[in-house]
Amino acid sequence: GAVVSQHPSWVICKSGTSVKIECRSLDFQATTMFWYRQFPKQSLMLMATSNEGSKATYEQGVEKDKFLINHASLTLSTLTVTSAHPEDSSFYICSARGGGGSNFYEQYFGPGTRLTVT
Amino acid sequence: GENVEQHPSTLSVQEGDSAVIKCTYSDSASNYFPWYKQELGKGPQLIIDIRSNVGEKKDQRIAVTLNKTAKHFSLHITETQPEDSAVYFCAAGGRFGNEKLTFGTGTRLTIIP
Repeated sequence: GAVVSQHPSWVICKSGTSVKIECRSLDFQATTMFWYRQFPKQSLMLMATSNEGSKATYEQGVEKDKFLINHASLTLSTLTVTSAHPEDSSFYICSARGGGGSNFYEQYFGPGTRLTVT
Repeated sequence: GENVEQHPSTLSVQEGDSAVIKCTYSDSASNYFPWYKQELGKGPQLIIDIRSNVGEKKDQRIAVTLNKTAKHFSLHITETQPEDSAVYFCAAGGRFGNEKLTFGTGTRLTIIP
């Protein structure tokens, strides 16, 4: 149980274009989803927290107009990187929290999406 | 905000020996402390967690201890195996009304056959 998927697993896009990453909770309803960014050999940095049906809360220093987050249902959240630039190249990971009987704070992570901007 | 420090950054252990990774946190209101294992190119996987009302928790070869007074917690892996080689992250969170986790900087564990 508690499986989270991400799509695509990797994507290459040209500078200036936008790319959308999907995060799905497959066997539970995720009341909250989190988006992280991880640079090589570094830790996970939280970008934003999203609750179903409401606006995402962004961490300090994260541009909300550049990283658009939509959490339209209890099983799907999307992250859109708009006007991507090479410095946006990173490993993007989502996590989901929720589900009956689970630890309130326990987060289940997706497999990540490798974004390369050329 | 919360700040989590993790040591060591790299650790090499002979197969069969034990490995210990330590973390300290700054926010005394944190009450949830998970440990994640991340293999290359994959997302983190929860391996064990502990709440502040418990001092120790064990799951087969893995154990976590928590000292709330000193604000530190540790991961213990016994009888290490080659498949234990990965990057391990500690995290702290669970502050009332705040669902976020703050992660440590990670420990690259290498098991030497």
